[in-house]
Amino acid sequence: QQPVQSPQAVILREGEDAVINCSSSKALYSVHWYRQKHGEAPVFLMILLKGGEQKGHEKISASFNEKKQQSSLYLTASQLSYSGTYFCGTAGLAGATNKLIFGTGTLLAVQP
Amino acid sequence: DAGVTQSPTHLIKTRGQQVTLRCSPKSGHDTVSWYQQALGQGPQFIFQYYEEEERQRGNFPDRFSGHQFPNYSSELNVNALLLGDSALYLCASSLGRTGRLLANTGELFFGEGSRLTVL
Repeated sequence: QQPVQSPQAVILREGEDAVINCSSSKALYSVHWYRQKHGEAPVFLMILLKGGEQKGHEKISASFNEKKQQSSLYLTASQLSYSGTYFCGTAGLAGATNKLIFGTGTLLAVQP
Repeated sequence: DAGVTQSPTHLIKTRGQQVTLRCSPKSGHDTVSWYQQALGQGPQFIFQYYEEEERQRGNFPDRFSGHQFPNYSSELNVNALLLGDSALYLCASSLGRTGRLLANTGELFFGEGSRLTVL
């Protein structure tokens, strides 16, 4: 039931791009993306809703394939501040208000 | 505008004891969710409170209980602590939505968490 993320970890140089994937075995209404820096609380990045609506970050984009129950987060021209662990959170239709099921996480390290 | 505040930040308990964690949601938010995050893992949903009632519950035993007060603040209680309960407990606040289609469209604001160590 927990979404699976890939890759588990990625190391980048500043300015490089990265893609983080999130895959669920259940039908989804929305996918949420959060970033958590070490020792800090998760911080909201983006929401993708069924039907195509997106709300979120200016410099980070994402896609949501409803049929495949998959989402991808695109980090372009990465900055040192992008380092952290990225989690996708999924919400299904059946009365699951704000009940996010978080994925396994992807550790991103951006080096100078 | 204060964000989500949690207390205590760290605590150490022994097996069999009971613990209460507290959370004050972001100003204007009426819904509080609790998550357990083990080291190196994603947050696991425990339950959610809205209008002083438990609205959703994850796969956690009855040892985990909660409460929401009229001012929207919340408590998480864990009884008969086990070593495996050691984790970071995160509180997240949001705006609740009523209606027949209870699908999530809201951002969660997380607190810094309460780090529980069970010895």
